[in-house]
Amino acid sequence: DQQVKQNSPSLSVQEGRISILNCDYTNSMFDYFLWYKKYPAEGPTFLISISSIKDKNEDGRFTVFLNKSAKHLSLHIVPSQPGDSAVYFCAASGVSVNGGSQGNLIFGKGTKLSVKP
Amino acid sequence: GAGVSQTPSNKVTEKGKYVELRCDPISGHTALYWYRQSLGQGPEFLIYFQGTGAADDSGLPNDRFFAVRPEGSVSTLKIQRTERGDSAVYLCASSLAGGRDTQYFGPGTRLTVL
Repeated sequence: DQQVKQNSPSLSVQEGRISILNCDYTNSMFDYFLWYKKYPAEGPTFLISISSIKDKNEDGRFTVFLNKSAKHLSLHIVPSQPGDSAVYFCAASGVSVNGGSQGNLIFGKGTKLSVKP
Repeated sequence: GAGVSQTPSNKVTEKGKYVELRCDPISGHTALYWYRQSLGQGPEFLIYFQGTGAADDSGLPNDRFFAVRPEGSVSTLKIQRTERGDSAVYLCASSLAGGRDTQYFGPGTRLTVL
């Protein structure tokens, strides 16, 4: 059972336009959400995070929006650049279903973003 | 400064063999995590260390998998009697003190079991 879902395996956007990556989650105990970016043959790199007490967090060209009632979050990248082309993973943490620690992250399957010049 | 490093970068082994995968975390980071990423999937949590002790090993799939961190720094993930389904990229991450501290990932070890 996927607790974090990224339903779009891929997204193609023109350089300079907005990229919107979406993520849904099912576990209402999640209280912290993150986006990671991954280039081929490298490990994931932290991009931006948001706590469940907020509905928006912004860092330069990257903004994450959280809609708790819909259990949905999205990452907006504007303007998109060719160097943003990578796989983007949504991740969540909180009290796990077995009562475990908050440290481990639950990841979605990722969305491959291609930004065309 | 140096990031998280993992060795080897690639490991090919035969079904039934034993393998060890090594992770060197960022110096001073007390928390260390192992994840496994299969093809087309996101990273899947395996185990979390706080210092020398395993704080959460709920993600280890079965008793063929074991990990240690004897001095609170380097960690080794050990897989006994490897199976073809163990083929994946094994990722290690470290963070300053666990919890919500940012996890920094290494490049991973690609394990192929023939």
